[in-house]
Amino acid sequence: EIVLTQSPGTLSLSPGEGATLSCRASQSVSSSSLAWYQQKPGQAPRLLIYATSSRATGIPDRFSGSGSGTDFTLTISRLEPEDFAMYYCQQYDSSGRAFGQGTKVEIK
Amino acid sequence: QVQLVESGGGLVQPGGSLRLSCAASGFPFRIFYMSWIRQAPGKGLEWVSYISSDSYYIYYADSVKGRFTISRDNARNSLYLQMNSLRAEDTAVYYCATENWGRFDSWGQGTLVSVSS
Repeated sequence: EIVLTQSPGTLSLSPGEGATLSCRASQSVSSSSLAWYQQKPGQAPRLLIYATSSRATGIPDRFSGSGSGTDFTLTISRLEPEDFAMYYCQQYDSSGRAFGQGTKVEIK
Repeated sequence: QVQLVESGGGLVQPGGSLRLSCAASGFPFRIFYMSWIRQAPGKGLEWVSYISSDSYYIYYADSVKGRFTISRDNARNSLYLQMNSLRAEDTAVYYCATENWGRFDSWGQGTLVSVSS
Protein backbone atom coordinates (compact mmCIF):
# COMPACT_ATOMS: atom_id res chain seq x y z
CA GLU A 1 0.00 0.00 0.00
CA ILE A 2 1.41 3.34 -1.09
CA VAL A 3 1.30 6.12 1.51
CA LEU A 4 1.36 9.76 0.41
CA THR A 5 2.83 12.39 2.73
CA GLN A 6 2.16 16.05 2.01
CA SER A 7 4.21 18.97 3.28
CA PRO A 8 3.98 21.44 4.73
CA GLY A 9 0.81 20.92 6.73
CA THR A 10 0.01 24.61 6.49
CA LEU A 11 1.36 27.29 4.19
CA SER A 12 0.78 30.92 5.24
CA LEU A 13 1.14 33.26 2.29
CA SER A 14 -0.12 36.56 0.93
CA PRO A 15 -2.11 37.07 -2.28
CA GLY A 16 0.26 37.46 -5.21
CA GLU A 17 2.91 35.18 -3.70
CA GLY A 18 3.81 31.79 -5.12
CA ALA A 19 3.08 28.49 -3.38
CA THR A 20 4.92 25.19 -3.58
CA LEU A 21 3.20 22.10 -2.18
CA SER A 22 4.96 18.77 -1.85
CA CYS A 23 3.64 15.21 -2.05
CA ARG A 24 6.00 12.32 -1.28
CA ALA A 25 5.10 8.68 -1.92
CA SER A 26 6.34 5.74 0.15
CA GLN A 27 7.28 3.97 -3.09
CA SER A 28 7.56 4.92 -6.72
CA VAL A 29 4.35 6.10 -8.39
CA SER A 30 3.64 6.17 -12.10
CA SER A 31 3.52 9.75 -13.32
CA SER A 32 0.19 8.96 -14.97
CA SER A 33 -1.27 8.04 -11.59
CA LEU A 34 -0.81 11.22 -9.57
CA ALA A 35 -3.52 13.89 -9.21
CA TRP A 36 -4.16 17.04 -7.16
CA TYR A 37 -7.44 18.39 -5.77
CA GLN A 38 -8.57 21.64 -4.20
CA GLN A 39 -11.23 21.74 -1.51
CA LYS A 40 -12.87 24.78 0.02
CA PRO A 41 -14.86 24.67 3.28
CA GLY A 42 -18.29 23.11 2.84
CA GLN A 43 -17.59 22.08 -0.75
CA ALA A 44 -16.69 18.87 -2.52
CA PRO A 45 -13.12 18.57 -3.79
CA ARG A 46 -12.32 19.70 -7.32
CA LEU A 47 -9.81 18.06 -9.64
CA LEU A 48 -6.97 20.45 -10.50
CA ILE A 49 -4.16 18.35 -11.99
CA TYR A 50 -4.02 14.78 -13.28
CA ALA A 51 -1.22 12.61 -14.64
CA THR A 52 1.24 14.73 -12.61
CA SER A 53 1.13 17.81 -14.85
CA SER A 54 -2.06 17.99 -16.91
CA ARG A 55 -4.55 20.66 -15.89
CA ALA A 56 -8.18 19.64 -15.62
CA THR A 57 -10.81 21.46 -17.64
CA GLY A 58 -11.22 25.08 -16.63
CA ILE A 59 -8.22 25.20 -14.30
CA PRO A 60 -6.17 28.40 -14.71
CA ASP A 61 -2.58 28.15 -15.85
CA ARG A 62 -1.23 29.55 -12.59
CA PHE A 63 -1.65 25.97 -11.33
CA SER A 64 1.04 23.54 -12.45
CA GLY A 65 2.23 20.11 -11.42
CA SER A 66 5.54 18.34 -11.72
CA GLY A 67 7.53 15.43 -10.37
CA SER A 68 8.35 11.80 -10.82
CA GLY A 69 9.12 8.67 -8.87
CA THR A 70 8.33 9.46 -5.24
CA ASP A 71 8.37 13.28 -5.27
CA PHE A 72 5.65 15.44 -6.75
CA THR A 73 4.91 19.15 -6.54
CA LEU A 74 1.92 21.42 -7.05
CA THR A 75 2.90 25.01 -7.79
CA ILE A 76 0.60 28.01 -7.71
CA SER A 77 2.47 30.84 -9.42
CA ARG A 78 0.57 33.83 -7.98
CA LEU A 79 -2.03 33.25 -5.33
CA GLU A 80 -5.45 34.70 -5.98
CA PRO A 81 -7.90 35.19 -3.08
CA GLU A 82 -9.92 32.18 -4.25
CA ASP A 83 -6.86 29.87 -4.06
CA PHE A 84 -6.75 29.82 -0.27
CA ALA A 85 -8.02 26.31 0.44
CA MET A 86 -7.00 22.73 1.22
CA TYR A 87 -5.04 20.76 -1.35
CA TYR A 88 -4.76 16.98 -1.59
CA CYS A 89 -2.61 14.75 -3.74
CA GLN A 90 -3.93 11.35 -4.79
CA GLN A 91 -2.50 8.28 -6.45
CA TYR A 92 -4.06 5.17 -7.84
CA ASP A 93 -2.94 1.69 -8.71
CA SER A 94 -4.64 -1.51 -9.77
CA SER A 95 -5.96 -2.31 -6.32
CA GLY A 96 -6.87 1.00 -4.80
CA ARG A 97 -6.57 4.73 -4.45
CA ALA A 98 -5.01 6.86 -1.73
CA PHE A 99 -4.94 10.50 -0.71
CA GLY A 100 -2.31 12.50 1.10
CA GLN A 101 -3.35 14.13 4.36
CA GLY A 102 -3.58 17.58 2.78
CA THR A 103 -1.89 20.98 2.84
CA LYS A 104 -3.81 24.05 3.93
CA VAL A 105 -2.94 27.26 2.11
CA GLU A 106 -4.04 30.12 4.33
CA ILE A 107 -3.87 33.89 4.13
CA LYS A 108 -0.95 35.35 6.03
CA GLN B 1 -23.58 18.57 -17.33
CA VAL B 2 -22.45 15.88 -14.91
CA GLN B 3 -24.63 15.68 -11.82
CA LEU B 4 -24.14 13.31 -8.89
CA VAL B 5 -26.61 13.41 -6.00
CA GLU B 6 -25.98 11.32 -2.90
CA SER B 7 -28.73 10.34 -0.47
CA GLY B 8 -29.38 7.94 2.37
CA GLY B 9 -27.17 9.43 5.06
CA GLY B 10 -28.31 9.97 8.62
CA LEU B 11 -27.84 9.03 12.25
CA VAL B 12 -27.37 5.36 13.04
CA GLN B 13 -26.34 3.46 16.16
CA PRO B 14 -23.05 1.57 16.34
CA GLY B 15 -23.49 -1.86 14.79
CA GLY B 16 -26.30 -0.63 12.57
CA SER B 17 -26.66 -0.48 8.81
CA LEU B 18 -27.26 2.18 6.19
CA ARG B 19 -27.53 2.18 2.42
CA LEU B 20 -26.26 5.16 0.48
CA SER B 21 -27.36 5.96 -3.05
CA CYS B 22 -25.86 8.16 -5.74
CA ALA B 23 -28.08 9.26 -8.63
CA ALA B 24 -26.11 10.12 -11.75
CA SER B 25 -27.14 12.20 -14.74
CA GLY B 26 -25.65 14.20 -17.60
CA PHE B 27 -23.11 11.60 -18.72
CA PRO B 28 -23.02 7.94 -19.87
CA PHE B 29 -23.00 6.40 -16.41
CA ARG B 30 -22.79 2.83 -17.71
CA ILE B 31 -19.25 3.29 -19.08
CA PHE B 32 -17.68 4.96 -16.07
CA TYR B 33 -15.90 3.47 -13.10
CA MET B 34 -17.30 4.95 -9.89
CA SER B 35 -15.95 5.43 -6.39
CA TRP B 36 -17.07 6.30 -2.89
CA ILE B 37 -14.82 8.63 -0.92
CA ARG B 38 -15.41 9.82 2.63
CA GLN B 39 -14.26 12.66 4.85
CA ALA B 40 -14.55 12.55 8.62
CA PRO B 41 -15.39 15.87 10.29
CA GLY B 42 -12.35 18.15 10.12
CA LYS B 43 -10.22 15.43 8.54
CA GLY B 44 -8.82 14.58 5.13
CA LEU B 45 -10.16 12.51 2.26
CA GLU B 46 -10.27 8.72 2.44
CA TRP B 47 -11.03 6.55 -0.57
CA VAL B 48 -13.56 3.85 0.39
CA SER B 49 -14.35 1.69 -2.64
CA TYR B 50 -14.54 1.58 -6.43
CA ILE B 51 -16.51 -0.43 -8.94
CA SER B 52 -15.84 -0.91 -12.62
CA SER B 53 -18.39 -0.03 -15.28
CA ASP B 54 -19.63 -3.63 -15.56
CA SER B 55 -19.25 -4.39 -11.82
CA TYR B 56 -16.54 -6.94 -12.60
CA TYR B 57 -13.80 -5.15 -10.64
CA ILE B 58 -14.55 -4.09 -7.09
CA TYR B 59 -12.06 -2.97 -4.46
CA TYR B 60 -12.34 -1.71 -0.91
CA ALA B 61 -10.14 0.11 1.53
CA ASP B 62 -8.94 -2.16 4.32
CA SER B 63 -10.87 -0.05 6.83
CA VAL B 64 -14.24 -1.10 5.35
CA LYS B 65 -13.50 -4.50 3.81
CA GLY B 66 -16.02 -7.11 4.92
CA ARG B 67 -18.48 -4.49 6.19
CA PHE B 68 -19.29 -2.34 3.15
CA THR B 69 -20.58 -3.45 -0.25
CA ILE B 70 -20.52 -1.31 -3.37
CA SER B 71 -22.91 -1.95 -6.24
CA ARG B 72 -24.46 -0.21 -9.21
CA ASP B 73 -27.52 -0.36 -11.42
CA ASN B 74 -26.63 0.93 -14.87
CA ALA B 75 -30.27 0.83 -15.98
CA ARG B 76 -31.14 3.24 -13.18
CA ASN B 77 -27.92 5.32 -13.44
CA SER B 78 -27.34 4.67 -9.76
CA LEU B 79 -24.47 3.76 -7.46
CA TYR B 80 -24.93 2.28 -4.00
CA LEU B 81 -22.98 1.65 -0.82
CA GLN B 82 -24.39 -0.82 1.67
CA MET B 83 -22.76 -0.18 5.05
CA ASN B 84 -23.08 -2.79 7.80
CA SER B 85 -21.59 -3.12 11.29
CA LEU B 86 -21.10 0.63 11.42
CA ARG B 87 -18.60 2.11 13.86
CA ALA B 88 -18.09 5.57 15.29
CA GLU B 89 -15.04 5.98 13.04
CA ASP B 90 -17.28 5.58 9.97
CA THR B 91 -18.82 8.98 10.76
CA ALA B 92 -18.12 11.13 7.71
CA VAL B 93 -19.45 12.88 4.67
CA TYR B 94 -19.64 10.29 1.90
CA TYR B 95 -19.05 11.44 -1.67
CA CYS B 96 -19.61 9.53 -4.87
CA ALA B 97 -17.32 10.41 -7.75
CA THR B 98 -16.71 9.47 -11.36
CA GLU B 99 -13.43 7.84 -12.15
CA ASN B 100 -11.31 8.47 -15.19
CA TRP B 101 -8.09 6.41 -15.25
CA GLY B 102 -8.04 6.44 -11.46
CA ARG B 103 -8.61 10.15 -10.96
CA PHE B 104 -11.87 11.61 -9.69
CA ASP B 105 -13.23 13.98 -12.29
CA SER B 106 -16.64 14.83 -10.87
CA TRP B 107 -17.97 14.71 -7.32
CA GLY B 108 -21.35 14.89 -5.68
CA GLN B 109 -22.01 17.23 -2.77
CA GLY B 110 -21.94 14.38 -0.26
CA THR B 111 -24.22 12.87 2.35
CA LEU B 112 -23.46 12.86 6.07
CA VAL B 113 -23.37 9.60 8.00
CA SER B 114 -23.24 9.87 11.80
CA VAL B 115 -22.66 6.76 13.89
CA SER B 116 -23.50 7.39 17.52
CA SER B 117 -25.56 5.99 20.36
